[in-house]
Amino acid sequence: GQNIDQPTEMTATEGAIVQINCTYQTSGFNGLFWYQQHAGEAPTFLSYNVLDGLEEKGRFSSFLSRSKGYSYLLLKELQMKDSASYLCAVRDSNYQLIWGAGTKLIIKP
Amino acid sequence: GAVVSQHPSRVICKSGTSVKIECRSLDFQATTMFWYRQFPKQSLMLMATSNEGSKATYEQGVEKDKFLINHASLTLSTLTVTSAHPEDSSFYICSARLAGGNYGYTFGSGTRLTVV
Repeated sequence: GQNIDQPTEMTATEGAIVQINCTYQTSGFNGLFWYQQHAGEAPTFLSYNVLDGLEEKGRFSSFLSRSKGYSYLLLKELQMKDSASYLCAVRDSNYQLIWGAGTKLIIKP
Repeated sequence: GAVVSQHPSRVICKSGTSVKIECRSLDFQATTMFWYRQFPKQSLMLMATSNEGSKATYEQGVEKDKFLINHASLTLSTLTVTSAHPEDSSFYICSARLAGGNYGYTFGSGTRLTVV
């Protein structure tokens, strides 16, 4: 079966760095997405990885290792507004998006 | 950028009535629209995939006669929840697949449906 695993909840301090991990087992691979979702709102795009390595975009970076079926989202200089759920999604060989359950990130002052 | 406009954002309806949710793609043509449902504290669950001009493909366990999807044009897809029941109360989100680029998908703002 297809499976995306990510931690249910994480807590971090304002100004710090946090890494949210995602492991996946899917039928094929055509890219991995990270989305941010605030409560009651639709997801917003953060990053896309299709090749191994690190993609950096401002305070957010995303890493992918296809051989390990592993990705992480790195958030630096955390701000209170970063409190949200972070969703990992993999596009499989049929170009279907397989979603993780999301990681709720709580930022404390 | 490519935007999907979703309406209504919130709706409260009585049990047994029907509710229509619209998603319009602005400034681009959405040949494929995905409809998701999200219960509190859970991830997105794909309900169906609609392609313009053809019948929608429903995921296992989703009643096609209850959740009617119409994708009659390249800029409009609708989801109608028929004979709604309280257990249908959820957050419904549409998403369009973008042609080209790496961003892949753009989401509507979601519809919070409450059936009383």
